[in-house]
Amino acid sequence: GAVVSQHPSRVICKSGTSVKIECRSLDFQATTMFWYRQFPKQSLMLMATSNEGSKATYEQGVEKDKFLINHASLTLSTLTVTSAHPEDSSFYICSAPRLAGGFTDTQYFGPGTRLTVL
Amino acid sequence: GEDVEQSLFLSVREGDSSVINCTYTDSSSTYLYWYKQEPGAGLQLLTYIFSNMDMKQDQRLTVLLNKKDKHLSLRIADTQTGDSAIYFCAESPLTTGKLIFGQGTTLQVKP
Repeated sequence: GAVVSQHPSRVICKSGTSVKIECRSLDFQATTMFWYRQFPKQSLMLMATSNEGSKATYEQGVEKDKFLINHASLTLSTLTVTSAHPEDSSFYICSAPRLAGGFTDTQYFGPGTRLTVL
Repeated sequence: GEDVEQSLFLSVREGDSSVINCTYTDSSSTYLYWYKQEPGAGLQLLTYIFSNMDMKQDQRLTVLLNKKDKHLSLRIADTQTGDSAIYFCAESPLTTGKLIFGQGTTLQVKP
């Protein structure tokens, strides 16, 4: 079946540094990927839609200069948290929809990346 | 607007059936999903239902959809301790691919 991977699975960094998280679709191409953020014991909140070959679409309230998204190929999207601060600590999850007949078949989620900013 | 609501907690005994309920607001949603999340892990797709269906059964899982009331439920038969997790329902408006999640229902299964 379809698999989406994320790397790294866990990262701890110092405040002020930048962290890059990769999301890969392993056996299908994804022109679109999604980035979610999940705080402890809370739901997933959509941050942005990553579009291959064009700019990402950010949800309201998400700083595009803070969370840089690059969809470099049909199987890779990256999320860079720039100048990370402790409040950016969270669980970041990507997903990729597999399209069938022009409609979304189903979405596959990566295993998530736990970011801790000290 | 887009909004998905779930009850936050459900406790059942092992062997009983569990029913997790969800309401959504966007009538244009083509697909509705149920995901499972175990502690510290990502999301596992359990099942999904197309909006023109009323029911979908997959082994121990039964999904019921009442499109008129915008109500979705997930029934887990013969609930096991391994089913303990957080269950999220999600809608996908207008086949955009993005998902709007409910708050998640924590299912506790007592032996």
